[in-house]
Parts: sequence; C-alpha cells; structure tokens
Amino acid sequence: AQSVAQPEDQVNVAEGNPLTVKCTYSVSGNPYLFWYVQYPNRGLQFLLKYITGDNLVKGSYGFEAEFNKSQTSFHLKKPSALVSDSALYFCAVRADSNYQLIWGAGTKLIIKP
Amino acid sequence: SQTIHQWPATLVQPVGSPLSLECTVEGTSNPNLYWYRQAAGRGLQLLFYSVGIGQISSEVPQNLSASRPQDRQFILSSKKLLLSDSGFYLCAWSLPWTGAEAFFGQGTRLTVV
Repeated sequence: AQSVAQPEDQVNVAEGNPLTVKCTYSVSGNPYLFWYVQYPNRGLQFLLKYITGDNLVKGSYGFEAEFNKSQTSFHLKKPSALVSDSALYFCAVRADSNYQLIWGAGTKLIIKP
Repeated sequence: SQTIHQWPATLVQPVGSPLSLECTVEGTSNPNLYWYRQAAGRGLQLLFYSVGIGQISSEVPQNLSASRPQDRQFILSSKKLLLSDSGFYLCAWSLPWTGAEAFFGQGTRLTVV
C-alpha cells in the first residue's frame, strides 16, 4: 500500500537557522514526490516536486528537497529560516501507475524570531 | 496562465439544508479535478475526483456528491447537511499525467449549525 509519513507533528526553528521537515514514503514503482505549504485558512500552495533526474530539487521561496531512494525519503530544507516560513507543510507522493496523490499528515513549522 | 476559483470562502448552514460549492478552472483543458476535505487544519481527505465530464469517482461513502457538468467546472453538493459535514473544503486541479502537481483553490470553510 502507498503511504507517506511526516514523523514530526511540529518543528521549531530559530530565525536564520537551517530548517528540515522530514518525509518518508512507500510506493510501488517510481515515486513522484511533492511538497506543499498551507497558510491559515488558505488553500495549499505547490513548493516543489521530484519526478526524475537530479536528487536535489529547488523550489519556491528558497526551499529545496533531497530525494533519497535508498532511504525512501524526501526531506524539505531551507538554509536560513524566515518568520514568514511559519506554516503547515505537506508532503505527497504519487506512484507512476496512479494519478491519485497520497498525503502526509502535515508538519507545523514554527520559526521564532 | 491557469487559475482556479472556488466559492464561497465561508458558509454557515443549518443542519438539514442543501449545499452547493462550486469550483471552476481557467486556462487549461481536460484537467483532473479533485474535492478534498481538511479537518482540524491537518490531514487532507480526498472526497471525489474526476478525469472528465460526467466522470466522478468517490473515495469515501458520505452525505456528499459531486458533479462535473462542464470540462472545467466541479460542484460539490449535499441534499441534507449533517453536523459532521463541517470542515474546510478544497478544490484542486492537475494536468492529466502522473507527474503533474495539483493546484488548489482558496478553500471554503463550512460550518453546519
């Protein structure tokens, strides 16, 4: 069965420090991996995706993610956190044989000044 | 460019009343369309998806139904709302291939009283 795990319910980071939001997945076949951000009472915004190619993917707002096939992970990273990065982050995966997205439970990121 | 419109933004309805939420997409043809519900600001639950006009698949048996009367129009309905139907409803679209990211509307906050 396909699944996505975001093991941290909440991540706290000081402004200016690097941040990592973790995501691991389980799918049959090649995975397509996505990260989204959600601000309060708003829809989700697409940040970045991994389809194939370079394992390090760069996206919006200075975020990047690294695909690690052996560890079945796709962690979201940013070198220097901003207070405005505080939001809810979702990881999602789609197998190449299925167009439905499987979503993680979300990780609340709090950046403290 | 493509845009997605979802309305209304907020809605308060009495128990037993009907519901109609509408979502339209502009700037693309034959999109995949999705309705999600998000409870308590966290996980996303896929309610319905559609790959074409009149083609609706339901993921979860419930008090809701969906229709796609036009290529870029997706409607979520209920004949009689229940208290448990309260939540944040999100419409989304994607191109019809497995590597495509989904784009979300701004969401509708439904409160059933």
